[in-house]
Amino acid sequence: ETGVTQTPRHLVMGMTNKKSLKCEQHLGHNAMYWYKQSAKKPLELMFVYSLEERVENNSVPSRFSPECPNSSHLFLHLHTLQPEDSALYLCASSQVTSTGGDTQYFGPGTRLTVL
Amino acid sequence: AQKVTQAQTEISVVEKEDVTLDCVYETRDTTYYLFWYKQPPSGELVFLIRRNSFDEQNEISGRYSWNFQKSTSSFNFTITASQVVDSAVYFCALSEDLPSGGSYIPTFGRGTSLIVHP
Repeated sequence: ETGVTQTPRHLVMGMTNKKSLKCEQHLGHNAMYWYKQSAKKPLELMFVYSLEERVENNSVPSRFSPECPNSSHLFLHLHTLQPEDSALYLCASSQVTSTGGDTQYFGPGTRLTVL
Repeated sequence: AQKVTQAQTEISVVEKEDVTLDCVYETRDTTYYLFWYKQPPSGELVFLIRRNSFDEQNEISGRYSWNFQKSTSSFNFTITASQVVDSAVYFCALSEDLPSGGSYIPTFGRGTSLIVHP
């Protein structure tokens, strides 16, 4: 595998389900990101893990819970979602140094539908 | 705070036309980085170019060219002789220099949807 991979590519879930999205990067980067992309809306940064810290967008509901067990793997745990959470969820990685961030590389995304 | 504006929501052209996608940015940093990404219908954002603020040389890569002008805070993207396969959403993004207190996390514009008709 090369680059950034995401599984599953498509997910349909009910509002009472619990599921997890998985992201893996094979680029040796030290930062990983979750973005949400809804139809007709801009890219929304949800979470960042970098430089041993977690950055959160305070507007993200608690029904989304990230986990980053190591620099190569990132999860997004989902529970009791709402239909408005249906969107494309994109994972990205980059290398962050003392001077700044390098290019972000994105995975193919998980298209989530909440019924 | 950093800001990226892509004023063109959607552009529609006929194949072989040239098209320019505009990107205007705001930042207080003197060192920053600008990016363009392409998002085809499949969904993945594909990296196209990264440019740092000290390099104002225009760049050309095949049918793609980029015009960076610090005087107008713009980083415009031109596709020459457009093709149907160029149909996608294009995003411009900006990140800043850490030592001067900027954010390494990129700020994205809202994207421009380009439709190329055969």
